[in-house]
Amino acid sequence: GENVEQHPSTLSVQEGDSAVIKCTYSDSASNYFPWYKQELGKRPQLIIDIRSNVGEKKDQRIAVTLNKTAKHFSLHITETQPEDSAVYFCAAKRKSEYGNKLVFGAGTILRVKS
Amino acid sequence: KAGVTQTPRYLIKTRGQQVTLSCSPISGHRSVSWYQQTPGQGLQFLFEYFSETQRNKGNFPGRFSGRQFSNSRSEMNVSTLELGDSALYLCASRAETGGIYEQYFGPGTRLTVT
Repeated sequence: GENVEQHPSTLSVQEGDSAVIKCTYSDSASNYFPWYKQELGKRPQLIIDIRSNVGEKKDQRIAVTLNKTAKHFSLHITETQPEDSAVYFCAAKRKSEYGNKLVFGAGTILRVKS
Repeated sequence: KAGVTQTPRYLIKTRGQQVTLSCSPISGHRSVSWYQQTPGQGLQFLFEYFSETQRNKGNFPGRFSGRQFSNSRSEMNVSTLELGDSALYLCASRAETGGIYEQYFGPGTRLTVT
């Protein structure tokens, strides 16, 4: 089955610096890769996603890159701010005979120090 | 559109009891997935329902069950509660039509077993 590895498990950066979180997936049939942000006590929120026919996608300070050959994708946050502090989850979707299934990484705790 | 809603938001039960959690998906969404979230354990997939049928299942014991109704609302049941079942239970919905893959989470039900 699909497996998603996420690194690092924790990341501390200084306000204004960039943060990068990386995920690798095992199933080459995966075709959709979302990223979720979960603030303390809140639900995971979809912040950006990318499909397998695209190599990069940007939305203001966040961007996601996808390398299908290497089967990894990354979240990039530039000019980090204290409000970026949260747990970030990556996921990969594969289509199976049972329909589409999202498999999540273990999460990365991002701390932005001001 | 209204987001995914879950009831109740908080629940305290005693070991050995059973509990039923409810999830109302975004209007038009036909797929509902359930996740268990405990500190340090990320998002553990329980099961997914689509058109009233369980389509995918995670590695949880048979004490965890669910169902989906014709209006796509879903319920999750846990019987013979154990202390280790204390967790945040999240449901998520997605459209599953027209190539739309985005999945949105509800606020969760925080279950405490004493």
